[in-house]
Amino acid sequence: QVQLQESGPGLVKPSETLSLTCSVSGDSLRNYYWSWIRQPPGKGLEWIGYIYNGASTSYTPSLKSRLTISLDTSKSQFSLSLNSVTAADTAVYYCARGRLFFYFDLWGRGALVTVSS
Amino acid sequence: DIQMTQSPSSLSASVGDRVTITCRASQPISNYLNWYQQTSGKAPKLLIYGASSLQSGVPSRFSGSGSGTDFTLTISSLQPEDFATYYCQQSYRTPLTFGGGSKVEVK
Repeated sequence: QVQLQESGPGLVKPSETLSLTCSVSGDSLRNYYWSWIRQPPGKGLEWIGYIYNGASTSYTPSLKSRLTISLDTSKSQFSLSLNSVTAADTAVYYCARGRLFFYFDLWGRGALVTVSS
Repeated sequence: DIQMTQSPSSLSASVGDRVTITCRASQPISNYLNWYQQTSGKAPKLLIYGASSLQSGVPSRFSGSGSGTDFTLTISSLQPEDFATYYCQQSYRTPLTFGGGSKVEVK
């Protein structure tokens, strides 16, 4: 059974870098659009970006200048790095598996990241 | 960006009711429309992809329809576990975007 699990610090200071890792068990990382999606407290879902086969990435324009998504197939992990964070980046961050037509059929449990000094 | 607008934003219903939620795209997206269910404190769960294809393991009381700009999610007979928030998502073009959500509450 394929499982996704987010990990990383739950508290980040303003202007610093938010880093999260998603560990994938039970499946190959090839041929899926490994994605990050976030949800601010009490609000809706926002797609952040994806990485495909370790080489192709797509990011939402509003975050593109601060964002890096990378893939480590040897560890079955993909990662999110978001720099220069502010309180507006406080959210539950989900990792998800994207299928060919960009729908998300598997999700991690989510990781709450709070940006505060 | 393609804007996705859901209605209603919330509704009250009883077990056994037929529930319909609509989603409208700001431009035509063919059938690249997906539906998710999110219960409190949990990750979203895929219900419908490609506007009308039922995800494996999802009960048949859930159905989706539509094409172009207007889409519908229908729950034919609401069950206790269906009280949740539902989101549509377009997968026609990046950036991928979600609707604002429709919360189904107990009447």
